[in-house]
Amino acid sequence: EPEVTQTPSHQVTQMGQEVILRCVPISNHLYFYWYRQILGQKVEFLVSFYNNEISEKSEIFDDQFSVERPDGSNFTLKIRSTKLEDSAMYFCASRLDGEAFFGQGTRLTVV
Amino acid sequence: AQKVTQAQTEISVVEKEDVTLDCVYETRDTTYYLFWYKQPPSGELVFLIRRNSFDEQNEISGRYSWNFQKSTSSFNFTITASQVVDSAVYFCALTERGNSGGYQKVTFGTGTKLQVIP
Repeated sequence: EPEVTQTPSHQVTQMGQEVILRCVPISNHLYFYWYRQILGQKVEFLVSFYNNEISEKSEIFDDQFSVERPDGSNFTLKIRSTKLEDSAMYFCASRLDGEAFFGQGTRLTVV
Repeated sequence: AQKVTQAQTEISVVEKEDVTLDCVYETRDTTYYLFWYKQPPSGELVFLIRRNSFDEQNEISGRYSWNFQKSTSSFNFTITASQVVDSAVYFCALTERGNSGGYQKVTFGTGTKLQVIP
């Protein structure tokens, strides 16, 4: 069964460093998303991406964040200068129609 | 705007008891999907079910059943004869069709933490 794959599963980074979280969506999907879940809290929408551009973003998704689909298969989330409060689980999702498929998540720890 | 409310923050039951997790949603769209996800302690989101807005049939899958009622905007989830392995956080979620024809973001509820005590 096709699945969304995220790498790495866990990343530790120093405050102020740039980090790139990687996702390989399901190959024929058209819509791509990043979500964030701070430990013990709800899953929050960050950004949606369709037709090679951002279609919607939340207020969390400020100038420190960017997304790319550089080669037609990977979908990346970059955080330019990480802060302690960026520590969270980050989920990538993709969809073709109604059902969204989520990756297993990347746990980002900023120290 | 879409909104999902899970009023139960935490529930504890004794193994073999039945438990119902409540979910109430708000949407202005007539076409939408509802979902339930399970999040075990390991952190991943495990898809359990989706239901589209035109299908109000209740569904049963083993010990799991879902009751979708558009009249009350609810999509409740019942676990029959709960087991310790059911202990997890359960999220209800909603996505609208939207005017552009594509589906909008998935909006999650705040989750219900279920603890099944042996």
